[in-house]
Amino acid sequence: DAGVIQSPRHEVTEMGQEVTLRCKPISGHNSLFWYRQTMMRGLELLIYFNNNVPIDDSGMPEDRFSAKMPNASFSTLKIQPSEPRDSAVYFCASRDREKLFFGSGTQLSVL
Amino acid sequence: TQLLEQSPQFLSIQEGENLTVYCNSSSVFSSLQWYRQEPGEGPVLLVTVVTGGEVKKLKRLTFQFGDARKDSSLHITAAQPGDTGLYLCLAGTYKYIFGTGTRLKVLA
Repeated sequence: DAGVIQSPRHEVTEMGQEVTLRCKPISGHNSLFWYRQTMMRGLELLIYFNNNVPIDDSGMPEDRFSAKMPNASFSTLKIQPSEPRDSAVYFCASRDREKLFFGSGTQLSVL
Repeated sequence: TQLLEQSPQFLSIQEGENLTVYCNSSSVFSSLQWYRQEPGEGPVLLVTVVTGGEVKKLKRLTFQFGDARKDSSLHITAAQPGDTGLYLCLAGTYKYIFGTGTRLKVLA
């Protein structure tokens, strides 16, 4: 079992550029969550999907953020245009019953 | 919006000491989970508590769910440097919210 796989592990970009973060959940898990972690705000839930359908995106900070889950094995989180305040670690998690399994995260730095 | 407050926010102790971390809310939860996160990694589940008053043990870690299911505690006996990390409580049904976190450092 490879666990939840996120890519890239690190992303450095310039303000105004488009950033796409990718996640492959554990096979068989039907819920997927995107979180953002910063020192100031801790772990914040951005959006979650159930059976590939977005259920609650109230945590998405602005229209610059969008997330998709085209199939059960892949999800993306896109930021366009990126801003320095978007710098954070972004985590993807999938759920089995009541347990969340997290990827190793993407460290995003927007200069 | 559910709010999970953890205390203390930071804790630095010597190896062998005992400690307790608290997770409090004004909401009632059907279950609550504790996670530990190490640098460069995602949180990893330690335990799930479901019943009010429930106590679970995981080696030197003891977890308790409050009788009213609004709060929980994590007690570590004889802390080791390997216990160093960020401890997080998490609750919710479909919308899982993390607590504010307790950053623990155990000095050898």
